[in-house]
Amino acid sequence: TQLLEQSPQFLSIQEGENLTVYCNSSSVFSSLQWYRQEPGEGPVLLVTVVTGGEVKKLKRLTFQFGDARKDSSLHITAAQPGDTGLYLCAGNYGQNFVFGPGTRLSVLP
Amino acid sequence: SAVISQKPSRDICQRGTSLTIQCQVDSQVTMMFWYRQQPGQSLTLIATANQGSEATYESGFVIDKFPISRPNLTFSTLTVSNMSPEDSSIYLCSAGTGADTQYFGPGTRLTVL
Repeated sequence: TQLLEQSPQFLSIQEGENLTVYCNSSSVFSSLQWYRQEPGEGPVLLVTVVTGGEVKKLKRLTFQFGDARKDSSLHITAAQPGDTGLYLCAGNYGQNFVFGPGTRLSVLP
Repeated sequence: SAVISQKPSRDICQRGTSLTIQCQVDSQVTMMFWYRQQPGQSLTLIATANQGSEATYESGFVIDKFPISRPNLTFSTLTVSNMSPEDSSIYLCSAGTGADTQYFGPGTRLTVL
């Protein structure tokens, strides 16, 4: 069974602070996705990482895929209240996906 | 990318009844999935909806309880049968054109009394 863990589970920070959330597994994934979900909506895809060691940037968000393709991190610089939401990582193996439990981020103004 | 709509957006149902949720994609997609998300929790895959053949169910989910149809490359339905309060959840449809990307609908919030 492929499992993903995320940490921290909850995070509450002030606007302007930096943060990093982590997604870890003992399994190797062919790719990994990060999503953000806001209340009452479906998850929205932020990024897909495929290559071990890959780093992708999306404005203030930086995503990294571990060399062994077992873990990933999401770093947010100068967080804003609009970043508030549930951040989910999902690992792809074959035709299937497995989701982590999520990190619930709250950015206070 | 793909734009996905779901109907209904929410419903309140009585125990023992069934509800069919529709998922429409604005373009042809290879893969469609159905997930369940319980309050405050992550997503659990129910099944992969296969066009022209029976859906592939994950452990703990069976066809009699969650029958799925996928008549073409843009549409799928999930039925939650003989509902009980434990079925109260958000049901999400997703679709993808490749093996490493999927896009989600807004979800259907189901409450069973």
